Amino acid sequence: AQRVTQPEKLLSVFKGAPVELKCNYSYSGSPELFWYVQYSRQRLQLLLRHISRESIKGFTADLNKGETSFHLKKPFAQEEDSAMYYCALSGQAAGNKLTFGGGTRVLVKP
Amino acid sequence: ETGVTQSPTHLIKTRGQQVTLRCSSQSGHNTVSWYQQALGQGPQFIFQYYREEENGRGNFPPRFSGLQFPNYSSELNVNALELDDSALYLCASSLIQNYGYTFGSGTRLTVV
Repeated sequence: AQRVTQPEKLLSVFKGAPVELKCNYSYSGSPELFWYVQYSRQRLQLLLRHISRESIKGFTADLNKGETSFHLKKPFAQEEDSAMYYCALSGQAAGNKLTFGGGTRVLVKP
Repeated sequence: ETGVTQSPTHLIKTRGQQVTLRCSSQSGHNTVSWYQQALGQGPQFIFQYYREEENGRGNFPPRFSGLQFPNYSSELNVNALELDDSALYLCASSLIQNYGYTFGSGTRLTVV
């Protein structure tokens, strides 16, 4: 069975500091990994997916199959990055459903 | 291009009652998934519909059921409501060939 673990419930950083959100997964096969973000009073939205290998809003995430991790990083956090972040995985073996982690709340202080 | 819309936004039901939640898919999407998000937790997969048939189900009892209509809109039905069913219910649509899930704003269900 697939599982996604986000060990930090809350990350508090100062504006301009680096931020890293940890995500570890277990999955049999080749997973598709995602980061979703939910800003205050907004709907859940896709931030980035590993297959795109892109940087969105300064965030990047690298899939490490050896460590089964997909950590999200940003070198200089901004106040508007304060939100709830969810790591999720999908794949054909999982019927293309999304399996989410428990989420990490990021608070960027001025 | 319209996004995913869900109705109602909030509702309160009594234990033992039945509830129907509705979802309109994003234009062009033929797959609908439903998720339950309890307070302080990540969304949990309930089931998925593709071409009006269920093609995936999570660890939810049979009293959670659904429908998908020819226009790809969907309903989630929950019978014999329990207090633990209180949660935010999210609908997401996608094209099954890719993983571009678009989420609705959710329906907040409170069971008293």
